Amino acid sequence: GAVVSQHPSRVICKSGTSVKIECRSLDFQATTMFWYRQFPKQSLMLMATSNEGSKATYEQGVEKDKFLINHASLTLSTLTVTSAHPEDSSFYICSAGGYSGNTIYFGEGSWLTVV
Amino acid sequence: RKEVEQDPGPFNVPEGATVAFNCTYSNSASQSFFWYRQDCRKEPKLLMSVYSSGNEDGRFTAQLNRASQYISLLIRDSKLSDSATYLCVVFPGGSYIPTFGRGTSLIVHP
Repeated sequence: GAVVSQHPSRVICKSGTSVKIECRSLDFQATTMFWYRQFPKQSLMLMATSNEGSKATYEQGVEKDKFLINHASLTLSTLTVTSAHPEDSSFYICSAGGYSGNTIYFGEGSWLTVV
Repeated sequence: RKEVEQDPGPFNVPEGATVAFNCTYSNSASQSFFWYRQDCRKEPKLLMSVYSSGNEDGRFTAQLNRASQYISLLIRDSKLSDSATYLCVVFPGGSYIPTFGRGTSLIVHP
């Protein structure tokens, strides 16, 4: 069964609105989760590292005010895409585990389409 | 030079063929290596870890060449269901954050 669950799997929103994506670790406590974005035929691009109880660490070029990350508990991290634009349309994936060489578990991913 | 590089392909092979992919990495201190499989519009899933001594899982063989800084994945007796994108994942030395290659696309045709 799934070890990391992500929701929603698909979402369509209007330009200018905000969308929240949830990532839950089901069988273990995850002090660290990762958020990725993937455009068609491109590699996974790390957006940010989500740390439980503290601020997320964003990769260079990722706007922290646009992609809000909250990791309030050991089993839940959320990514909110604020004031979404069509160019934010992408496949967003979270992961947990993978710390220092351990197996990485991915959520099912969320397809965001901004119209 | 990118940290992790893969030939994007696609590799187009007939059923039953043997196919191999390589993935080069730039950080010589990298410690952990994996191959993941990603189907179209799905999340990546672990295929196998790559050990220093090489490892085999059924039709799949993974090897690590530290001297030349690459890992390889060999698929024997290809099946239609092997069609997917294969991502290599490397943990650079001193980092707990994995680095992904862009993936190699494999298409197995009848």
